[in-house]
Amino acid sequence: AQSVTQPDIHITVSEGASLELRCNYSYGATPYLFWYVQSPGQGLQLLLKYFSGDTLVQGIKGFEAEFKRSQSSFNLRKPSVHWSDAAEYFCAVGSPTGGGNKLTFGTGTQLKVEL
Amino acid sequence: GAVVSQHPSRVICKSGTSVKIECRSLDFQATTMFWYRQFPKQSLMLMATSNEGSKATYEQGVEKDKFLINHASLTLSTLTVTSAHPEDSSFYICSARDRKGFTEAFFGQGTRLTVV
Repeated sequence: AQSVTQPDIHITVSEGASLELRCNYSYGATPYLFWYVQSPGQGLQLLLKYFSGDTLVQGIKGFEAEFKRSQSSFNLRKPSVHWSDAAEYFCAVGSPTGGGNKLTFGTGTQLKVEL
Repeated sequence: GAVVSQHPSRVICKSGTSVKIECRSLDFQATTMFWYRQFPKQSLMLMATSNEGSKATYEQGVEKDKFLINHASLTLSTLTVTSAHPEDSSFYICSARDRKGFTEAFFGQGTRLTVV
C-alpha cells in the first residue's frame, strides 16, 4: 500500500526567507506525486505534480519540488516566502496503475509566515 | 484550467436528516470522481470512487449505506449522508478526472457539513 509522510506538522518562516517542506512516500515503483495547498475552509489547489521526466518540477506561485528516487522524497521548496503563502500544504501520491487520481495524502504541514 | 464545483459550500442539518452534496465538472466530462473526507486539522481520507453509470467503490471502513454515492451523468456525482449524526460533521471534498485520461484530478472547493 502506498503512504505519504510529512514529518513537519507546523513550520514558521519569516517573510522573504526560503522554505522547504518535506515529503517522503512509500510505493513499490515510481508513483505520481503532487503538492496541494489549502487555505482555511477552502478546497485544494494544485501547486505542482510529477509524473516522469525531469526530476525538478516547477509549479505555480514560485514553488518547485524535486523528486529523489533514492530517498523516496518529493520536497517542496520556495526561495522567498510571501505572507500570502501561509496555508496548509499537502503532499499526495497516486498510483499510475490507477490513473494517478486515487490519491493518498500526507497529514499536511501548516505554514505560518512571520512578517 | 478545469473547474469542479461543489454545492453547497456549507450546510447545517439536524441529527437524523439526510444531506446531499453535489460535485459537478463544469467544463469537462468526468468518468470518475472521488470523494474525500477531512477531519479538523487532519488530512484527507478517500471515502469512495464514483464511476459514471456504475456502483461506487468504497474504501475499507466507509459505510456504503450511510454515504450514498450516485454518478448518474458524466458531469455530476452526488454524495448523500443519510441519517446524519454529529460525528458525521466534517469537510467533504470531491475530485474529478477528465474522461480524456489526463492524469490530474481536479478538486472542488469542499463542503462543510455540521450536524446539530
